[in-house]
Amino acid sequence: NAGVTQTPKFQVLKTGQSMTLQCAQDMNHNSMYWYRQDPGMGLRLIYYSASEGTTDKGEVPNGYNVSRLNKREFSLRLESAAPSQTSVYFCASRESKGNQPQHFGDGTRLSIL
Amino acid sequence: GDSVTQMEGPVTLSEEAFLTINCTYTATGYPSLFWYVQYPGEGLQLLLKATKADDKGSNKGFEATYRKETTSFHLEKGSVQVSDSAVYFCALSDLNNAGNNRKLIWGLGTSLAVNP
Repeated sequence: NAGVTQTPKFQVLKTGQSMTLQCAQDMNHNSMYWYRQDPGMGLRLIYYSASEGTTDKGEVPNGYNVSRLNKREFSLRLESAAPSQTSVYFCASRESKGNQPQHFGDGTRLSIL
Repeated sequence: GDSVTQMEGPVTLSEEAFLTINCTYTATGYPSLFWYVQYPGEGLQLLLKATKADDKGSNKGFEATYRKETTSFHLEKGSVQVSDSAVYFCALSDLNNAGNNRKLIWGLGTSLAVNP
């Protein structure tokens, strides 16, 4: 009963380092999302993928890239990490038909020094 | 554009108190509305949803009614427990991106602390 799995759970980086956050879902969902959560700012959408092979920018895409590797996996890459990217990152997925809810992973807590 | 406004927290209650967390929205058309809950150190979980006007969503003793006339979806619980301490998020489904592209518009979250 895995649902949405994110790895790693915690990571500390130095400014300028690169890193890829992994996300996989086992619910056969078409749509997947990456959010960041910062105190007082709620959830902000970074990128999303409506279906395998497509990706689109959300509210705060600068400094990030994504890859929809297949239907299960949607990765988020920081090419050159900056302290402003210190945050908790959440991946989510949903069944694309109708008004289905999004299902979330447990998050990746990322600190950039 | 569409937006969601939640009451600011933190909200602090004693066990068995009545809870209301206000949520109002601005949207064109007839969006679906959701409440999510985030327990400490975890991701968000769907708590309840409503897809049309006058629908009542309910789960784990929580309720919310989709009120189109007041554009509201307030979360209520008659008797809170310590285990309800969490952050609660109101969200609406962005109908401007229909089908596969549909996104959620989020409120900023309301932190609830329940004391024994």
